[in-house]
Amino acid sequence: DAGVIQSPRHEVTEMGQEVTLRCKPISGHDYLFWYRQTMMRGLELLIYFNNNVPIDDSGMPEDRFSAKMPNASFSTLKIQPSEPRDSAVYFCASSTQGSYEQYFGPGTRLTVT
Amino acid sequence: GESVGLHLPTLSVQEGDNSIINCAYSNSASDYFIWYKQESGKGPQFIIDIRSNMDKRQGQRVTVLLNKTVKHLSLQIAATQPGDSAVYFCAENILGFQKLVFGTGTRLLVSP
Repeated sequence: DAGVIQSPRHEVTEMGQEVTLRCKPISGHDYLFWYRQTMMRGLELLIYFNNNVPIDDSGMPEDRFSAKMPNASFSTLKIQPSEPRDSAVYFCASSTQGSYEQYFGPGTRLTVT
Repeated sequence: GESVGLHLPTLSVQEGDNSIINCAYSNSASDYFIWYKQESGKGPQFIIDIRSNMDKRQGQRVTVLLNKTVKHLSLQIAATQPGDSAVYFCAENILGFQKLVFGTGTRLLVSP
């Protein structure tokens, strides 16, 4: 199994631009999680899905952030418009029903200038 | 004032020593705990987990201890190796919810 796949691995963009981060969870996993990691705030859960349905988006910082999961093998996290304070590493993770163990992807390092 | 960022506790050990990394949790309703290892530039990786009905669980070179009375979790690494150098996170799950709540992490530095 290839594990959780994220793209791009690195993204550099200018303030005000739209950014889309992508995630492919492990095949057969029912849950998908988006996290943000910064030096200031550590690892924060942004949103998670169960069977493609958003369950808890209370961690999404503001309306500039949105996440979708159109099917079981793909999810996106979009930031529009991006701001320098959005610079962070964004992780996607997946897990399966009956297990709390989450498998993390390699992350996308976002830099907003 | 502005926060200067999270201060990660750091544990420095010599190769071959045993390491103990501690974690305090706050929610008495937490029923599952997990330790992750994060190496530089990578995502967190599962190390070991433990349910609240257990006090101790052993893996290969790692042991997790759970003290529910004082809401304390520890990770013991035997014969620490340079490859163990990483940031270690504990995480807890509250019964009925699928999500994990992560601690701030501890940096382990292993000197050869």
